[in-house]
Amino acid sequence: GAGVSQSPRYKVAKRGQDVALRCDPISGHVSLFWYQQALGQGPEFLTYFQNEAQLDKSGLPSDRFFAERPEGSVSTLKIQRTQQEDSAVYLCASSLQIEETQYFGPGTRLLVL
Amino acid sequence: ELKVEQNPLFLSMQEGKNYTIYCNYSTTSDRLYWYRQDPGKSLESLFVLLSNGAVKQEGRLMASLDTKARLSTLHITAAVHDLSATYFCAVAGTASKLTFGTGTRLQVTL
Repeated sequence: GAGVSQSPRYKVAKRGQDVALRCDPISGHVSLFWYQQALGQGPEFLTYFQNEAQLDKSGLPSDRFFAERPEGSVSTLKIQRTQQEDSAVYLCASSLQIEETQYFGPGTRLLVL
Repeated sequence: ELKVEQNPLFLSMQEGKNYTIYCNYSTTSDRLYWYRQDPGKSLESLFVLLSNGAVKQEGRLMASLDTKARLSTLHITAAVHDLSATYFCAVAGTASKLTFGTGTRLQVTL
């Protein structure tokens, strides 16, 4: 079946611009996670949802980062007033239930100039 | 705070050789994962280890878990070029947040 999909795959933004990154989880997956992966590093947790509820946003680096999942399916990660240090790959993962294996999407590579 | 360390960070090995990647973590966890990442691609789930002494094998890869030592290993047997990738271990913390190691970049040469 279809895996996790993300769009856009690549995004170039000028510093100060707002961006929105979309994640379509595997159908029926209750849990959805966002991670940030800097070049040459492992992914780092940003936030997660159980259905539409955002239960943990402790990894969001600043209040410029905002995530939502209003209907418990598609999720959007929004970054306001982007900075150069926001350049990274943003990975979305979903799992059937909270303690099950997380399946990752292809990521959105964000470059802030 | 959960910390995960992997070593080595980079591994160059010849085809046909065996080697082991190590993953140490700092606090108790009930789940440890191994993922593979090819350049420019996302992460592919390889193994999930749930209990002390757990061992899982798939092809030339075998993963094990020692929860008392807080150590997991990924053993590569008779490496082939197709195994070249970056391998991450990830430990589940509260609410299944994964904390990843820095990754081991494996290069298998002819």
